[in-house]
Amino acid sequence: DGGITQSPKYLFRKEGQNVTLSCEQNLNHDAMYWYRQDPGQGLRLIYYSQIVNDFQKGDIAEGYSVSREKKESFPLTVTSAQKNPTAFYLCASSIVRGQGARGSRINEQFFGPGTRLTVL
Amino acid sequence: RKEVEQDPGPFNVPEGATVAFNCTYSNSASQSFFWYRQDCRKEPKLLMSVYSSGNEDGRFTAQLNRASQYISLLIRDSKLSDSATYLCVVNLNTGGFKTIFGAGTRLFVKA
Repeated sequence: DGGITQSPKYLFRKEGQNVTLSCEQNLNHDAMYWYRQDPGQGLRLIYYSQIVNDFQKGDIAEGYSVSREKKESFPLTVTSAQKNPTAFYLCASSIVRGQGARGSRINEQFFGPGTRLTVL
Repeated sequence: RKEVEQDPGPFNVPEGATVAFNCTYSNSASQSFFWYRQDCRKEPKLLMSVYSSGNEDGRFTAQLNRASQYISLLIRDSKLSDSATYLCVVNLNTGGFKTIFGAGTRLFVKA
C-alpha cells in the first residue's frame, strides 16, 4: 500500500547537534515538502522540492537543510544554527501535473505521520 | 492581515448538531482549495477538495465563493469522532509553488 513514512517518530537532541529526519514516499509524487508545526499554531513551510535535485526555501528555512537525490526521499537536517528546533515536523508529497494515484489532484498534499523533535 | 484566516474557535457542539466553518483568503490568485482534518498530535489528513460548484461527501459539504474570497465547510449530524482541528488550505497560482495553511479551527463534539 502506498504512502509516506517518516522516522523516527520521536527524536531527542542535545543542543549543538545536527539531526536528520527521514521522509520516504512510494506514491510516485514529484513534489515533497517539509513543514514545522508549533503547539496551537498552523503549519509553516521550511523547504520544498518539485523535482529531483532541485529544492526551494520556504518561509522559515534558516537553520535547516535538505537534499533530493531520489524522487522517493527528501531528508531534512536540523542544524545547530536553528535556534528553537523543538517542534512537530511534517513531511508531505503531492503531484504537480495531471492526476495521481487514488485520484489525487494537483497540489493535494498527503502527509507522513510526523516526527516530534525535542532539544534537551 | 493573514493570507488565510479561519474562525478562531474552539467550537463546542452537541452530537447531532450542524456546524459551519468559514475561511477567508486574501490573494485573488488563489487557484485550488482544500479542507484538512488534524487530530491531536497527528498529521493533517485531506478531508475534501473544494470545487467552484460546491461539493458534498456524506455529512460534509464544502462551498467556494470566489467573488467574496471565502470557503466554507458544513458538517451535519455531528459525531463524537468529528472532534478535531479543521484546516483551510489555499494554493496560489503565482507561477511557482505557494500553499498556505490556515491556523485551524478546533471542534469539540460532546455527547
